Amino acid sequence: NAGVTQTPKFQVLKTGQSMTLQCAQDMNHEYMSWYRQDPGMGLRLIHYSVGAGITDQGEVPNGYNVSRSTTEDFPLRLLSAAPSQTSVYFCASSSPRAEETQYFGPGTRLLVL
Amino acid sequence: RKEVEQDPGPFNVPEGATVAFNCTYSNSASQSFFWYRQDCRKEPKLLMSVYSSGNEDGRFTAQLNRASQYISLLIRDSKLSDSATYLCVVIPSMSDMRFGAGTRLTVKP
Repeated sequence: NAGVTQTPKFQVLKTGQSMTLQCAQDMNHEYMSWYRQDPGMGLRLIHYSVGAGITDQGEVPNGYNVSRSTTEDFPLRLLSAAPSQTSVYFCASSSPRAEETQYFGPGTRLLVL
Repeated sequence: RKEVEQDPGPFNVPEGATVAFNCTYSNSASQSFFWYRQDCRKEPKLLMSVYSSGNEDGRFTAQLNRASQYISLLIRDSKLSDSATYLCVVIPSMSDMRFGAGTRLTVKP
């Protein structure tokens, strides 16, 4: 199993540009989520999904969109990037039977200029 | 006030030392508690769950004090490979994990 994969690893954007961060998992996990990690802030939940076709907002959803058309994929879209979205983004997945054991992807480092 | 607070450290200890981290949480209705480990520039990984009765996994001991709303992690006989950031995680409700900012540990020879 590849586990949770994320692309790209690094990205530089200009303010106002849009992009999609990709996340995929091959563990057949129903629960998937996106976090951002900033210095001194800990990981904060952006959006999550409890299954295909179902998404919900987390703690910091503004400026981000998600969709879940398949169990495997959970892309995160930045509609109009802002410098405040400079961060490290982690995607995670877990089984509904063990939701607390989240498997994280390697992260995407995003810099918005 | 943050929901989950940790001393950011860094804690610099020699090999073989015992080191303890504390974490406080604000939501008294929180159900579940965990410690995750994060190596530099890597993703977080589950270290251990924290049970009300306290639990041990090798050199690691986790404890929960619901009355005072804090959890702790004790590492005995520190190894160089224990150097990492330790994240306290609290789950106030389903699908809502709250992470502390982490405590950085450096174990030196």
